[in-house]
Amino acid sequence: AQSVTQLDSQVPVFEEAPVELRCNYSSSVSVYLFWYVQYPNQGLQLLLKYLSGSTLVKGINGFEAEFNKSQTSFHLRKPSVHISDTAEYFCAVNNNTDKLIFGTGTRLQVFP
Amino acid sequence: KAGVTQTPRYLIKTRGQQVTLSCSPISGHRSVSWYQQTPGQGLQFLFEYFSETQRNKGNFPGRFSGRQFSNSRSEMNVSTLELGDSALYLCASSRGTGQETQYFGPGTRLLVL
Repeated sequence: AQSVTQLDSQVPVFEEAPVELRCNYSSSVSVYLFWYVQYPNQGLQLLLKYLSGSTLVKGINGFEAEFNKSQTSFHLRKPSVHISDTAEYFCAVNNNTDKLIFGTGTRLQVFP
Repeated sequence: KAGVTQTPRYLIKTRGQQVTLSCSPISGHRSVSWYQQTPGQGLQFLFEYFSETQRNKGNFPGRFSGRQFSNSRSEMNVSTLELGDSALYLCASSRGTGQETQYFGPGTRLLVL
């Protein structure tokens, strides 16, 4: 069975500082990996996804993530955050179906 | 291109009632998935429909059901509502290949009293 672990439930950071949101997954088969962002009272918006190829994936809003198969990780990074990045971030996995398995989410709080 | 739309956006029901939520996918998308989001359980997959057939199912009781119409619009029904059904119900659509991005709607917030 697949599962996703987001170890950090909350990450506080000052504006313009770098940030890393951690995601680890477990699966017995090849998987596809996704990061979604949810702003208050809204649905989920895709930040980036890894299907195959280059392990460094660039997404929207300056975010990027690196797929590490040996460590089964897919950590999300941004070199300099803005107040507007304050939101809930979800890592998700699927195995070539339309059934996404989500992590519990990480609340990113950016302070001025 | 219009995004995924969900109606209604907010709903208040009482225990024992039933509710129907609607989702209109992005034009051309044939897969519609439903997710339940609660503070305690997070985001959980309910089911997925593709070309009017349920293709994947999560671990929810039979009170939760859905269907998809020939125009790919989907409805989700919850019968005999319980307090624990209070949640944000999210619908997502995609082309249905598994590798395609799932685009989410704004959700329907259901409150059961």
